[in-house]
Amino acid sequence: EVQLVESGGGLVKPGGSLRLSCAASGFTFSNAWMSWVRQAPGKGLEWVGRIKSKTDGGTTDYAAPVKGRFTISRDDSKNTLYLQMNSLKTEDTAVYYCTTAHMDVWGKGTTVTVSS
Amino acid sequence: SYELTQPSSVSVSPGQTARITCSGDVLAKKYARWFQQKPGQAPVLVIYKDSERPSGIPERFSGSSSGTTVTLTISGAQVEDEADYYCYSAADNSRGVFGGGTKLTVL
Repeated sequence: EVQLVESGGGLVKPGGSLRLSCAASGFTFSNAWMSWVRQAPGKGLEWVGRIKSKTDGGTTDYAAPVKGRFTISRDDSKNTLYLQMNSLKTEDTAVYYCTTAHMDVWGKGTTVTVSS
Repeated sequence: SYELTQPSSVSVSPGQTARITCSGDVLAKKYARWFQQKPGQAPVLVIYKDSERPSGIPERFSGSSSGTTVTLTISGAQVEDEADYYCYSAADNSRGVFGGGTKLTVL
């Protein structure tokens, strides 16, 4: 069964950092481009960023609101995707989902709350 | 600019056809995907490449494209189709964009 499981969410103060993880199973993770999508409370979906497979260069792209603060990385030996979030702002409060680049598989999400 | 515009809400009676539009200049050059999201759940892909339906998605869901507008059509909408629907496109080779979402009411 193809599955994505996010973890690492929690409460953090403005200016703080948090690292989210996404454990993948049921498919060849190393070949997959992966994305992060978030959803603020009561709001719509927002694309956060994407990482290509290492065979396709492993490069990353980010949405403007998070560029320079968030970093997406991957560990293919652990079938795990990461989202390092620094300099967090209250507006980063959201449920964070990991998904395949084709967005046909999604995790259940992990909640990040940025508040003092 | 890379923006996708959807109506905020659409309402139909059970058995009627629901149509949800998504407009944006990028759609003239890029494929769209459609997602269904029910409260408290992760999104589910219902249409990709403008009109392709993933396995397991009911045939009543279909998609079409014309110029800068794509349309999700639910033929014979059912009560269980009540949800938020989002369109999405890879705005260019380095970023993606979602529409603002449409709340579909079936009652």
